[in-house]
Formats: sequence, C-alpha cells, structure tokens
Amino acid sequence: AQSVSQHNHHVILSEAASLELGCNYSYGGTVNLFWYVQYPGQHLQLLLKYFSGDPLVKGIKGFEAEFIKSKFSFNLRKPSVQWSDTAEYFCAVNNNAGNMLTFGGGTRLMVKP
Amino acid sequence: KAGVTQTPRYLIKTRGQQVTLSCSPISGHRSVSWYQQTPGQGLQFLFEYFSETQRNKGNFPGRFSGRQFSNSRSEMNVSTLELGDSALYLCASSPELGRGNYGYTFGSGTRLTVV
Repeated sequence: AQSVSQHNHHVILSEAASLELGCNYSYGGTVNLFWYVQYPGQHLQLLLKYFSGDPLVKGIKGFEAEFIKSKFSFNLRKPSVQWSDTAEYFCAVNNNAGNMLTFGGGTRLMVKP
Repeated sequence: KAGVTQTPRYLIKTRGQQVTLSCSPISGHRSVSWYQQTPGQGLQFLFEYFSETQRNKGNFPGRFSGRQFSNSRSEMNVSTLELGDSALYLCASSPELGRGNYGYTFGSGTRLTVV
C-alpha cells in the first residue's frame, strides 16, 4: 500500500521568509502528486498538481513544487511567505488506478506578521 | 459553476444512532469520493463511486456505506455510531475515473459529532 510522509508537522516562519515543506511517498509506480491547502475554517483547495512532464510545477499564490523521482519526493516551496499563507498543507498521491488519494499527515504553517 | 455541495454542514448524533450525509458533485462530474478527517488519523479514504458503482473502498468497517444515484449525487451512511466516528467528512468530485490529472474538488464537509 502506498503511503505519504510529511516530516514537518508544525512550521513557524516570519513574513518574507522562504518556505519548503517536505513530502515523500512510498509507491513505486506511476503516480500523480498534489498539494492541497486548508485555510482555517475552509475546505481543501488545490495548490498544484503533477502528472508528467516538467518536474517543476508552479501553482497558485506563488507556490511551486519539484518532483524528484529518484527520491520519491514532491517538496513544496515558496520564496517569500505572507501572513495569509497560515494554513495546513497536505501532500497527496494518486496511483492513477482510480480516484483514491492517499494523504500525508499535514503540516501546519504559521506565519508571524 | 457551483462547487461540491455537502449537506448538512453540522450534525450531532448519539451513540448507536445512524446518520446519512449527502454530497452533490460539480455539474458534469461523475466520480465522487469520500474521506474522513480527524486530528488523530488525518485524511483517510472511505470509498469512491462512479456510475452508481463503488469502485474502491478504504479500510473502514462495514458500518460505513455509501451509494451514488443516477444524477451522480452521493450519500454515505454510518450505522451504529461510535464516539470515534466524530470527524469532518469530506466529499470530492472528479469528471472521470482513473485519470487523476483531472484533479479533485473538495466540498466544505460535514462535521459530525457523536455524543
């Protein structure tokens, strides 16, 4: 069974700091990769997704992620965070056999103004 | 374009009761998946439906069931509720099955509290 690990459970940054959230998955076959964000009191929103092609994926709100197949990783980055980025971030994997997503445990990001 | 609609938003039930949650996918979407979100276990896949058929099922007891109607709307049912069933139940819709590149759109969820 596939699994997804997010090693940082809580991250606290000051505004303008750079962000990198780690995500590793265990499935060895073809995968689709996602990052979702959940702002306080809101529903899950898609930040970005990777299916094929350029391993550097750009998403909304200045976020990007890099797929490194040899490391089974899909880390999320943002060069300069804002207070409004305070949220919980989830990495997810789909093995393309169905629509089932396997989620990581989430990373709570707090950005101090 | 309306998003994924889940009703009700909040529910309080007593142990031993049963509950039915509803999900209306985005118009034109034919796949509906359900997830349970709890602080301890995170987001866990319950099941997915496509063309009124359950296509995948997660590791949950048989008390959790679901169905999909011809208009793609889906319901999930939990019988004999336990305190541990308290969670946010999320529904996600997608245009098709088996092609993850379409993406998944989530609803706001139904927060179930079992007392």
